[in-house]
Amino acid sequence: GAVVSQHPSRVICKSGTSVKIECRSLDFQATTMFWYRQFPKQSLMLMATSNEGSKATYEQGVEKDKFLINHASLTLSTLTVTSAHPEDSSFYICSAGSSTSYEQYFGPGTRLTVT
Amino acid sequence: DQQVKQNSPSLSVQEGRISILNCDYTNSMFDYFLWYKKYPAEGPTFLISISSIKDKNEDGRFTVFLNKSAKHLSLHIVPSQPGDSAVYFCAGNTGGFKTIFGAGTRLFVKA
Repeated sequence: GAVVSQHPSRVICKSGTSVKIECRSLDFQATTMFWYRQFPKQSLMLMATSNEGSKATYEQGVEKDKFLINHASLTLSTLTVTSAHPEDSSFYICSAGSSTSYEQYFGPGTRLTVT
Repeated sequence: DQQVKQNSPSLSVQEGRISILNCDYTNSMFDYFLWYKKYPAEGPTFLISISSIKDKNEDGRFTVFLNKSAKHLSLHIVPSQPGDSAVYFCAGNTGGFKTIFGAGTRLFVKA
């Protein structure tokens, strides 16, 4: 399957600061990228879907001004958590999809801890 | 609204035996189902899928069964190996880009 990387793998930040997480599709042209967050012992919760060159579509309950998503190219999408708070601490995972398959290729995830 | 439910948070199986992971769904519009495997601190990896027009799909040690009338699917792993120990997510897709995941079942395979 395709290789998707995320950077950083782990980040600790202070409350009120912003954090950017990068998601790269290394060998695959990802027309669509997804951002999920996962709370302990819970499912992957889809936050938003982004298509290259257009605005992201956010799921209900996800604040688009707080979780800024940019999908400027077919290989890179970024998620910026603005003015982070402790409740934003979570495991954030991106995935890349295509228009020809139901499969998604997941990145390794980013553990965000807001102190 | 939990469209995909995995009611067993964990399952423990002896090495060599069969592991059966279950999944129920409520959305009758799902036309494709997928199973993903996830190790700690890693992203999920695709394992096996099944179209809603099929009732079985097999790939090596992994078989997925679909019972549409019961809105139920299951993943069978036989024989189970210690390396299969992971969290398994069931997911449904309605044909668009959106995939709905269950909460996952943690499988422990004891040597």
